[in-house]
Amino acid sequence: GAGVSQSPRYKVAKRGQDVALRCDPISGHVSLFWYQQALGQGPEFLTYFQNEAQLDKSGLPSDRFFAERPEGSVSTLKIQRTQQEDSAVYLCASSFPLYGGVRNEQFFGPGTRLTVL
Amino acid sequence: AQSVSQHNHHVILSEAASLELGCNYSYGGTVNLFWYVQYPGQHLQLLLKYFSGDPLVKGIKGFEAEFIKSKFSFNLRKPSVQWSDTAEYFCAVKGYGNKLVFGAGTILRVKS
Repeated sequence: GAGVSQSPRYKVAKRGQDVALRCDPISGHVSLFWYQQALGQGPEFLTYFQNEAQLDKSGLPSDRFFAERPEGSVSTLKIQRTQQEDSAVYLCASSFPLYGGVRNEQFFGPGTRLTVL
Repeated sequence: AQSVSQHNHHVILSEAASLELGCNYSYGGTVNLFWYVQYPGQHLQLLLKYFSGDPLVKGIKGFEAEFIKSKFSFNLRKPSVQWSDTAEYFCAVKGYGNKLVFGAGTILRVKS
């Protein structure tokens, strides 16, 4: 497709349930990012892939959060044993880095709104 | 640590009024700065960006921003806003690695 797509767009989970959020980046984009946006806040970085390699996972809030991109294209963010504080919009962004990544623009998807009851 | 501060969380303007949204950043490395916009029901879109060179950057839809290094600021401006500019605006700095560090956002409502 022309842009970054994410699915599902909305997810309601019961506390303790596992969820999986999918991101389809723009075709050919090497870099992929996940961000978490709580209500009334700006997006906060979770993790970053270059191709299939996860180069930075410093923003993942706990070991319940796990992300993968096994073939260097589609990525999945998995949250185990969801808690109410996990409720947020999860954004995916992709970019094709130029000049070693200095001038890359990140293109964002529509996000997945996760509500944990 | 990198951080971005946006001064106003909510701004209400009448059409044709001038706009200035404040943004201050904290980052010790080479500065790459961005303004993103999120229109109601839409995803984040890039409005403009600064990497180097002319500190006055022009973006889409008549927006511009000025990078003032001495003030660690990157304020967004538009001389005359339209009802269609109603949106949430986010300032961001590229942090260590390639991640973006965002401010909390400013919700702009333009009254017609």
